[in-house]
Amino acid sequence: EAGVVQSPRYKIIEKKQPVAFWCNPISGHNTLYWYLQNLGQGPELLIRYENEEAVDDSQLPKDRFSAERLKGVDSTLKIQPAELGDSAVYLCASSSRFNEKLFFGSGTQLSVL
Amino acid sequence: GENVEQHPSTLSVQEGDSAVIKCTYSDSASNYFPWYKQELGKRPQLIIDIRSNVGEKKDQRIAVTLNKTAKHFSLHITETQPEDSAVYFCAASNLGNEKLTFGTGTRLTIIP
Repeated sequence: EAGVVQSPRYKIIEKKQPVAFWCNPISGHNTLYWYLQNLGQGPELLIRYENEEAVDDSQLPKDRFSAERLKGVDSTLKIQPAELGDSAVYLCASSSRFNEKLFFGSGTQLSVL
Repeated sequence: GENVEQHPSTLSVQEGDSAVIKCTYSDSASNYFPWYKQELGKRPQLIIDIRSNVGEKKDQRIAVTLNKTAKHFSLHITETQPEDSAVYFCAASNLGNEKLTFGTGTRLTIIP
C-alpha cells in the first residue's frame, strides 16, 4: 500500500513569510496527526484529526499556525508568519484508529532564515 | 500529562552484541507502549509495541519488556547488525483518549 505522502520535502523561507505543508494519509485512515520534531528530540503532537474534525489541537500555536483537513482526507498545515524558532521537521502521520500503529510520512524540513 | 524519559541518549555496541534502551513513564493510566526506529533522514517506523496486559513481547531479534509497577519498559535488540544503527524512540499513551508522548530518543550505533 502507498504510505503517507508529504510535500514539500524541504522548504527554506525568510522569517515573517508564510509557509504551507501538505499531507496525504494512507487510504482509509481516519486519524491524521501533525507532529513537530526538533533536532535531537522526539515528535511532539501539534494537532490530531478524526475525519474532518480537529479533536486535539491543544499544542498548536493558534496565533500563527492553522490546519485543515478537507473532506477527511488530505490535510494542510500553515504557518503565518514564520519565526526563526519554527525551523524543524514537520511530520504527518495517519492511523486506522486513534493512537494505533502510526504511519509517518517523510516529513518537511523547514528552515527559517 | 504523560512524561516519558528515555536512556541512554547514545549507545554504541559491537556488532553481534545486545543493546538495551530503557524508558520510564509517569502516568499510571498509560497502557500502550510502542517503539519507533528512525534512520538518518528517514521517517519514524513502528518496530514493536506492547500493551499493558502483557509483560513481554518478541519479534525475531527485538523484544520489549514492561514493568507496570515500576512504570518502565525496555527495548532489547539481540545479535545486533549494522542496519540496526538508527535513533530509537519509545512512546506511551492511554489508548482511550490520550495522545502518544514520545521519549527524546536513543542514537544507537553498531560498530562493525
